[in-house]
Amino acid sequence: DAKTTQPTSMDCAEGRAANLPCNHSTISGNEYVYWYRQIHSQGPQYIIHGLKNNETNEMASLIITEDRKSSTLILPHATLRDTAVYYCINRGADGLTFGKGTHLIIQP
Amino acid sequence: ETGVTQSPTHLIKTRGQQVTLRCSSQSGHNTVSWYQQALGQGPQFIFQYYREEENGRGNFPPRFSGLQFPNYSSELNVNALELDDSALYLCASSLRGPGPNEQFFGPGTRLTVL
Repeated sequence: DAKTTQPTSMDCAEGRAANLPCNHSTISGNEYVYWYRQIHSQGPQYIIHGLKNNETNEMASLIITEDRKSSTLILPHATLRDTAVYYCINRGADGLTFGKGTHLIIQP
Repeated sequence: ETGVTQSPTHLIKTRGQQVTLRCSSQSGHNTVSWYQQALGQGPQFIFQYYREEENGRGNFPPRFSGLQFPNYSSELNVNALELDDSALYLCASSLRGPGPNEQFFGPGTRLTVL
């Protein structure tokens, strides 16, 4: 079973920042937080990952709380092409354990 | 740099048959993982291969088996197909080493079991 909790769906206006929350209260000390997204019928796409510190790359920023029990993925200027299901994952030793994710809909 | 490729794109089989799905990993990657994604659900981890051996398995029965070849490509075999095996099958490759390593997914194979 997935060890993360995410809202089922969210809306965001085009051009605005999209903030996607994730709870992972049972995360262990050596588990990373990974974010992937899946655009309809395509394979999941890696976005970003982090352990303790906040991270930023060309796609997004990841904010992890100090107690590591939750995190927020930020898409700074959402576009229509960012409409997708976003998965927050605590990475174990082997495979990724996906939950149902958040369906983010970017509104024009 | 070549990404992860999978074949075939779509496949239709009947109950009881056997199927083989193929995956070519991204250039430089030595680890392949397979996932099953039912409609409306997140991908579920089937197993992972590293150095041609199974290296981790999810909650799938033994009729799901795999192979990894010296060139790091991989096959997923499913025997005695059931209707519930209808799903999108995803392959992901990664480079195993110290520290975290992101997995890169292929486009998937859509399997329909009638």
